[in-house]
Amino acid sequence: NAGVTQTPKFQVLKTGQSMTLQCAQDMNHNSMYWYRQDPGMGLRLIYYSASEGTTDKGEVPNGYNVSRLNKREFSLRLESAAPSQTSVYFCASKVLAGGDEQFFGPGTRLTVL
Amino acid sequence: KQEVTQIPAALSVPEGENLVLNCSFTDSAIYNLQWFRQDPGKGLTSLLLIQSSQREQTSGRLNASLDKSSGRSTLYIAASQPGDSATYLCAVWGNMLTFGGGTRLMVKP
Repeated sequence: NAGVTQTPKFQVLKTGQSMTLQCAQDMNHNSMYWYRQDPGMGLRLIYYSASEGTTDKGEVPNGYNVSRLNKREFSLRLESAAPSQTSVYFCASKVLAGGDEQFFGPGTRLTVL
Repeated sequence: KQEVTQIPAALSVPEGENLVLNCSFTDSAIYNLQWFRQDPGKGLTSLLLIQSSQREQTSGRLNASLDKSSGRSTLYIAASQPGDSATYLCAVWGNMLTFGGGTRLMVKP
């Protein structure tokens, strides 16, 4: 099993450009999550999908949109990138949106110039 | 709003020492607490998960305890090794998963 995979690993954008970060999991998990990690701020939840067909805002959703394409895939879209979105983005999944273990992907390092 | 604090922020110890990392949280209404390890430039690796009804979990040289009523968890690492050098993060699941700022551990040979 590959676990949670993310593409791309690195990306540089100019202000105003758009892009989609891809995430897939092969563990048959129901719930998927997108976080960003910034120095001094820790990891913060952007959006999550408790189950296929549902999405909800997390702590810092502004400037982002998500799509739960199917049970395996959950994408994060930046419509008009801003320098404040420079960060490392992590996707994660778990069996259910409750008290069990969460597994993380390797991350995407995004720089917005 | 849940707040998670980890102390110390950084720790440097000689190889072989036993050490304790601390995590505290403000809202005791949690489903579970999870400890992660993060190596520089890498993702998060799950180390231990403690359900709210449990008091501790063990995996190899790692032991994590949970005192929900006082809002505290500790991660005990026995006989530390240079390969244990990493950032250790605790996270609590309430309405959402809330992370602490991490403890950056360096184990010197």
